[in-house]
Amino acid sequence: EVQLVESGGGLVKPGGSLRLSCAASGFTFSSYRMNWVRQAPGMGLEWVSFISDTNNKIDYADSVKGRFTISRDNAKNSLYLQMNSLRAEDTAVYYCAREDTSGWFYQDNWGQGTLVTVSS
Amino acid sequence: EVVLTQSPGTLSLSAGERATLSCRASQSVSSSYSAWYQQKPGQAPRLLIYGASNRATGIPDRFSGSGSGTDYTLTISRLEPEDSAVYYCQQYDYSTRLTFGGGTKVEIK
Repeated sequence: EVQLVESGGGLVKPGGSLRLSCAASGFTFSSYRMNWVRQAPGMGLEWVSFISDTNNKIDYADSVKGRFTISRDNAKNSLYLQMNSLRAEDTAVYYCAREDTSGWFYQDNWGQGTLVTVSS
Repeated sequence: EVVLTQSPGTLSLSAGERATLSCRASQSVSSSYSAWYQQKPGQAPRLLIYGASNRATGIPDRFSGSGSGTDYTLTISRLEPEDSAVYYCQQYDYSTRLTFGGGTKVEIK
């Protein structure tokens, strides 16, 4: 069974940092591209960042570019999101999502999410 | 940048009725890159439809998708109480990668 389990969320002050983790199991993690998607309270889904299976392609939403860094460790079956210079508008549930290998860019499995709250 | 507009914002129907959800793109997009997700309160999104019309594994056949160009539709043929959720469409484009619509909330009367 495919499982994605996020961790690392919490309460942080504006300007602070957090590192989110996503532990993957039940599939060959190194074969899949991964994304982070967030959802502000009561709002819709917003794509945050993408990383290819071999780490050679990375992309960010304009809203987080220069502040967030995505990475992965295929040996540890883990995905990460380093979030710096956090702002109130970064408050959201952050989901890691597995992108299907077909090249059609849909997310076929999602974690349960981890809540990040940025507040003084 | 592709912008996805979903309508209606809320759909209130009775069990057994047909629900038709719309997703309109600001420019023509590939149907291969069109997907729909269901999200229930407190849960993660779940993939329903990919490639505009293909049901994901385990999705009941009362869910169907169609569309091309700028207009895509998710149809729930006979609503069940458990279909109460928010539904999001998603597209891929080269400039913004993944784009989601604002969602349609389906309420079962």
